[in-house]
Amino acid sequence: GNSVTQMEGPVTLSEEAFLTINCTYTATGYPSLFWYVQYPGEGLQLLLKATKADDKGSNKGFEATYRKETTSFHLEKGSVQVSDSAVYFCALGAGGGADGLTFGKGTHLIIQP
Amino acid sequence: NAGVTQTPKFRILKIGQSMTLQCTQDMNHNYMYWYRQDPGMGLKLIYYSVGAGITDKGEVPNGYNVSRSTTEDFPLRLELAAPSQTSVYFCASLIAGGKGEQFFGPGTRLTVL
Repeated sequence: GNSVTQMEGPVTLSEEAFLTINCTYTATGYPSLFWYVQYPGEGLQLLLKATKADDKGSNKGFEATYRKETTSFHLEKGSVQVSDSAVYFCALGAGGGADGLTFGKGTHLIIQP
Repeated sequence: NAGVTQTPKFRILKIGQSMTLQCTQDMNHNYMYWYRQDPGMGLKLIYYSVGAGITDKGEVPNGYNVSRSTTEDFPLRLELAAPSQTSVYFCASLIAGGKGEQFFGPGTRLTVL
């Protein structure tokens, strides 16, 4: 079956540091890949997505590239801010995701001023 | 648009009680989903629906029931609450052909004692 593995947290960084959160997946076919962010007490919000190999999703300074050869979709940001503190979920949607998404366990990111 | 709304926000149930979690979306989306989020875990799919009158089981459907009589509403019913159902429940929706970009509600935190 489909699965998503992402690095365990919490990840603690200083403001303006470089961020990488690793995500690898197992799936048949060509799934769409997503990063969702969850702020305390809120639902999930789509951060970025990629629907085919070599696509790069980007939003709010975050980027991730769909790497089929390494089955990865690592999240990066060049300079994090305190406001980026949240839980980040990597997810995949087989067949576009209409049958539901498969999520990783989430990575809690803490940015210290 | 209000997006995806869920009620109640919080609820405490006793073992064996029943309740319905409400979910409504005003975006005219065809697809709707129920997920549960346990502490330190990603979201797991309970049930989903591809349109009014059609529902399908997800990864963890046991102990739950759903119905979809209208495009807007997708209630989740717990018939005999058990402590294992203590979780945060999220409803989501997706427009047909939306490539898996699901929109999430704010969640319902349920505790079964």
